[in-house]
Amino acid sequence: EAGVTQFPSHSVIEKGQTVTLRCDPISGHDNLYWYRRVMGKEIKFLLHFVKESKQDESGMPNNRFLAERTGGTYSTLKVQPAELEDSGVYFCASSLGLAGTYEQYFGPGTRLTVT
Amino acid sequence: AQTVTQSQPEMSVQEAETVTLSCTYDTSENNYYLFWYKQPPSRQMILVIRQEAYKQQNATENRFSVNFQKAAKSFSLKISDSQLGDTAMYFCAFMKHRTGNQFYFGTGTSLTVIP
Repeated sequence: EAGVTQFPSHSVIEKGQTVTLRCDPISGHDNLYWYRRVMGKEIKFLLHFVKESKQDESGMPNNRFLAERTGGTYSTLKVQPAELEDSGVYFCASSLGLAGTYEQYFGPGTRLTVT
Repeated sequence: AQTVTQSQPEMSVQEAETVTLSCTYDTSENNYYLFWYKQPPSRQMILVIRQEAYKQQNATENRFSVNFQKAAKSFSLKISDSQLGDTAMYFCAFMKHRTGNQFYFGTGTSLTVIP
């Protein structure tokens, strides 16, 4: 069974440009999460999808970040325009969402560098 | 609000020895879950061990065990008979007791196993 995949693995862009990160969850996982780790700090929650609906987007830093999950399969996270402080590793995770299941399966992350 | 603290940014251990990684957390919740995730270099995070707060017995998974002290809000990870493959970043994480909830992570501990 394929795990959670993320693309690209690394992106370097200039301040003011746009970047779109993609996450493909494990097939059949209704729950999809985005997290971000800024260098040396904790991994922070950004948002949570249940199928195609945003269940919780309380962690989104500002309106320069837009997440979508059309069709309830893969998700994209767009940063527009990118700022220096957006640099970090963006993780995606998915879970089944059945009652009593709590494990989230993480992708390898996308390292975003804004210069 | 939930916070997770890992006070040891870096640790090292000789192969075959035992090491303990510390984690403390703060919450007003009574029911929750605690996790240790491991991220080997250039690879994705995988679950090491999970503890339900309502269980008094400490969780164990082969060479990995936890010391869960609910009153003290402490959740340390003990790795016995350390192996080179245990070299990784270890993240302690908290989740409220509800399916589909987000993780709250600590800043991580980088563990190096020395041959």
